[in-house]
Amino acid sequence: KNEVEQSPQNLTAQEGEFITINCSYSVGISALHWLQQHPGGGIVSLFMLSSGKKKHGRLIATINIQEKHSSLHITASHPRDSAVYICAVRSGNQFYFGTGTSLTVIP
Amino acid sequence: EAGVAQSPRYKIIEKRQSVAFWCNPISGHATLYWYQQILGQGPKLLIQFQNNGVVDDSQLPKDRFSAERLKGVDSTLKIQPAKLEDSAVYLCASSLALGHTGELFFGEGSRLTVL
Repeated sequence: KNEVEQSPQNLTAQEGEFITINCSYSVGISALHWLQQHPGGGIVSLFMLSSGKKKHGRLIATINIQEKHSSLHITASHPRDSAVYICAVRSGNQFYFGTGTSLTVIP
Repeated sequence: EAGVAQSPRYKIIEKRQSVAFWCNPISGHATLYWYQQILGQGPKLLIQFQNNGVVDDSQLPKDRFSAERLKGVDSTLKIQPAKLEDSAVYLCASSLALGHTGELFFGEGSRLTVL
C-alpha cells in the first residue's frame, strides 16, 4: 500500500468548473506539498502546508492533520490548468509521492 | 534566483549503452535528491545526498546505477548498462537541509528512452 493515495486518477472537466483533487496519507508528516507537472515539463511546487488552508489565485489547498487528508481545489478551471497534480508528504527526511491526478480541462 | 538545472533534457540510447545525467541544485541547498519517474507513476527516490554524503540509496539499483556529489554541490547520475525498463524521466530536486520543512524544488527532468 502506498503511503500517499490520490483520487481521482484522471479527471476531465469543462472550462469554468470547480475541481477537487483529494490526497490521503498514512505516515506522520511535517509538511504536505501539492505539485504541478505539465507534459514534458518539470515539477512546480504549488503549495506547502502543515495546517489549515492556503490560497493562491484560483487555487486553494486545505489539510486536516487529524484525518490525514488534504484537498486541492481549482475554482473557475481553465484549459491551462491541464496538468498532472501530485501530492507529496514530508516524513522525517523522506518525501513520499502520490501517483498523481491527470486533469484535462476542455474549453 | 536560478532554479535546479539538469542536463541533458532528452537522451535516446540503445540497451546496454551507458548514460549520465547532471544536476546543479539551487545555491545553498544542502540536500539533493534523484528521482525516477516512470510514465503514469509518481516519482520514486533513487538516492538522497546531504552535502557530499549519501543519506538514502536503498532503492538505487547499484548493479547498474551510480551517483556522486563529490564537492557537495552538483551531482551526476550514471546508468551502465541501461535496460529497456530504465526508460523514464530522471528528476533532480533540492531542498535547504535535512530536517528542514522547506520546499522541494525540482529541475525540468532528463527524459531517457532506451531502445
